[in-house]
Formats: sequence, structure tokens, C-alpha cells
Amino acid sequence: EAQVTQNPRYLITVTGKKLTVTCSQNMNHEYMSWYRQDPGLGLRQIYYSMNVEVTDKGDVPEGYKVSRKEKRNFPLILESPSPNQTSLYFCASSFGGLNSPLHFGNGTRLTVT
Amino acid sequence: DAKTTQPPSMDCAEGRAANLPCNHSTISGNEYVYWYRQIHSQGPQYIIHGLKNNETNEMASLIITEDRKSSTLILPHATLRDTAVYYCIVRVAGDYGGSQGNLIFGKGTKLSVKP
Repeated sequence: EAQVTQNPRYLITVTGKKLTVTCSQNMNHEYMSWYRQDPGLGLRQIYYSMNVEVTDKGDVPEGYKVSRKEKRNFPLILESPSPNQTSLYFCASSFGGLNSPLHFGNGTRLTVT
Repeated sequence: DAKTTQPPSMDCAEGRAANLPCNHSTISGNEYVYWYRQIHSQGPQYIIHGLKNNETNEMASLIITEDRKSSTLILPHATLRDTAVYYCIVRVAGDYGGSQGNLIFGKGTKLSVKP
């Protein structure tokens, strides 16, 4: 089944403890992206990647890192999480371009205390 | 900012067609109209997209006006499981790269399907 898989689904951590949220897709998509969703602010793009070893900042990149060493994986790294990064995170992928739908994972709910 | 305007909420009776409107008066000639929905806090689910012509798939139909300034998503026989927030999105054209991949989500329409 074609899908975008995120892990973990839920994560509770403390301020400053490095964490990684994994994202994997099995559709051979070139384009991958991370979003965060907050009440009243909607979905906002954090980082995106056009292909392997090609990444760029989205609208809210501060406090996050990403890497794209393989086509299928696009992990989101929080080196020193803070409470304002408590949010619902979504990974998404597509073939790229305006005519290619973006497919989303089921989300990771992160709480930083 | 989102380039679309949608009503904040709508109700629909189960088994009836749900018609969700969207205005996108500033759409450019090569920009697509996309529809997604989000059920509770699940990942946004792709429904359908189109450029100029009307489109239909197993989930819904998309009607785009001739001047492309508005569109309507039609769920032909709404069920309780179609209760969700529906997002109409104009996919922003730009330099090849993130702007083409990005979707800018607005507030959407909360559709409530009632028995």
C-alpha cells in the first residue's frame, strides 16, 4: 500500500532533549516536506526537500533540522526542543510540481514540557 | 496567505449531495485548485485537483467555473464519515522548488453530515 509513515505517533519529552521524528514513503517520490499544525494557525511548512541531499527552509524552520540521505526517508530533528515546539507534525511527499498531489502521513503529536 | 475563501461551516444531510464552494478570484492561469480534507487530527487527505476542466474521481467531483475564479467540490452521497474540515487550496506557482510543492492551507470549511 502506498503510504507515508511517521514515527512515533505520540511523543512526550523534556526541554533540551534531542529527538528525531522519522518519515518514510514508499512511492518513490522526489519531493518531501514537513508541516506543523497549531490551533488557529493552520498547517505551516517547516522544511522541504526536492530530492536526495537537497533541502530548504519553509515558513517556520527555526529550531528544526532535516536530512535527506535517501530518497524514501526525511527525518525531522529537534536538537534542543522547547515548549513552543509542542505541536502536531505531518510529513508529506509527492512527485513534485503543481500537478502532483501531496500525500500526508498520519501525524506525530509532540509535547515538550 | 491562502488565496481562497470558503464558508467556515456547512451542514449536510446523510445521503444527500454536499456542495462545498470556494472562491479563488486571484488565481493565475497555471495554478491548480486542490481539495483536501482533514478528519479530526488525522493527516490531510487528498481528494481531487483540477486546472480548467471539471474533474471526477471515486471520492468526489470538482466543478471549476469558466473564468476559474471559483469552484465547487461535490460529494455525491455524503455519509457520516465525510464529516471533516475541507480545504480548498490554490497551488502557488513559482520558481521550481518549494513553492511548487507547498500547499498553503487556509481555515477550510467544517462540514457536518447529520443523520
